[in-house]
Amino acid sequence: DGGITQSPKYLFRKEGQNVTLSCEQNLNHDAMYWYRQDPGQGLRLIYYSQIVNDFQKGDIAEGYSVSREKKESFPLTVTSAQKNPTAFYLCASSPPGTGREAFFGQGTRLTVV
Amino acid sequence: QQQVKQSPQSLIVQKGGIPIINCAYENTAFDYFPWYQQFPGKGPALLIAIRPDVSEKKEGRFTISFNKSAKQFSLHIMDSQPGDSATYFCAASRYNTDKLIFGTGTRLQVFP
Repeated sequence: DGGITQSPKYLFRKEGQNVTLSCEQNLNHDAMYWYRQDPGQGLRLIYYSQIVNDFQKGDIAEGYSVSREKKESFPLTVTSAQKNPTAFYLCASSPPGTGREAFFGQGTRLTVV
Repeated sequence: QQQVKQSPQSLIVQKGGIPIINCAYENTAFDYFPWYQQFPGKGPALLIAIRPDVSEKKEGRFTISFNKSAKQFSLHIMDSQPGDSATYFCAASRYNTDKLIFGTGTRLQVFP
């Protein structure tokens, strides 16, 4: 079954701790994305990567970091510098060529306690 | 210029009704306009998409109407069903970029 796998589904973090969210895809897609979803604010782009070993900041990159060492994997680290990390995080990928049809994972709900 | 404005924020209809969700954009370079459907606790999934060379596109009970001169597009759901209850997002992107710009979402509830 091809798709995007995000783990874990739920994550609790203490203030001041870094945490890494996993995103793996077996769709052979070049581009991968991380979005943050908050109630009433839609999906906001954190980081995106079009090829291995390259990534760009999105609209709300402060307090986050990513890596793209393999085509299949695009982990997101939420650092202690992120002021309001509690949110629903969505990973997506898109096929080569247009980069427009995004396929989403099931999301990770991060709660800072 | 990069925003996509979506309305209403929430919508309640009876089964069989035709909910309409509207989106507006400013950037005339946008040339791809998808709609995504999201159920609670799940990731969004592509529902239907349109390009500005057509004014309407239908897929099953879902129709996109596109008005290029007004820079507006809308989603109509014919014969709505309780299973259509979800959050709907419009989005836009421009040629040769990999970024989708999303609207703020509309929560639709369809009552039996």
